[in-house]
Amino acid sequence: NAGVTQTPKFRVLKTGQSMTLLCAQDMNHEYMYWYRQDPGMGLRLIHYSVGEGTTAKGEVPDGYNVSRLKKQNFLLGLESAAPSQTSVYFCASTRGGGTEAFFGQGTRLTVV
Amino acid sequence: AQSVTQLDSQVPVFEEAPVELRCNYSSSVSVYLFWYVQYPNQGLQLLLKYLSGSTLVESINGFEAEFNKSQTSFHLRKPSVHISDTAEYFCAVGGSYIPTFGRGTSLIVHP
Repeated sequence: NAGVTQTPKFRVLKTGQSMTLLCAQDMNHEYMYWYRQDPGMGLRLIHYSVGEGTTAKGEVPDGYNVSRLKKQNFLLGLESAAPSQTSVYFCASTRGGGTEAFFGQGTRLTVV
Repeated sequence: AQSVTQLDSQVPVFEEAPVELRCNYSSSVSVYLFWYVQYPNQGLQLLLKYLSGSTLVESINGFEAEFNKSQTSFHLRKPSVHISDTAEYFCAVGGSYIPTFGRGTSLIVHP
């Protein structure tokens, strides 16, 4: 079972560079989420999607964009990376409200 | 609106001792409660959940949690911990379409 797959697993960017993180789920889940995890801060929601073609801002959306062109994929983009975006990024999906969240293995991003 | 408070950021304990990780929540909709575990360099995975029915729920590796509606709590307990239980534990509340997570509690088991 693949579940939720994130690519890449590690990345180092220079300040100002751009990149896209890919999240793919094979469980036909409607809802998908991008979180960032920083020491002492827990998981903070960046953006989320409640279905194909829809996206919405979470708690910390600045500096990020997302797209959900296909139900199984949720892309997170950084247009101009900043050192403050150094973090571990997690994608998650759920079948619906109040159901278990399935997480990817994370992407460790360092911006220098 | 919903929120989760994990009262301890770090809990050190000796192997074979009991442990309790505390979680309090608030929610204006139906409450579904979860505990997730994160081992080093991995994603979060479900440990146990409360959706309805019995207020005491158990995991396959000896953890249990009790839903207490009057105290709005969902504390996680284990009567005897192992070194392998060392991990980050997250309490979460569902009910809306956005799961809300606590800040996590780092359980450190010493030999």
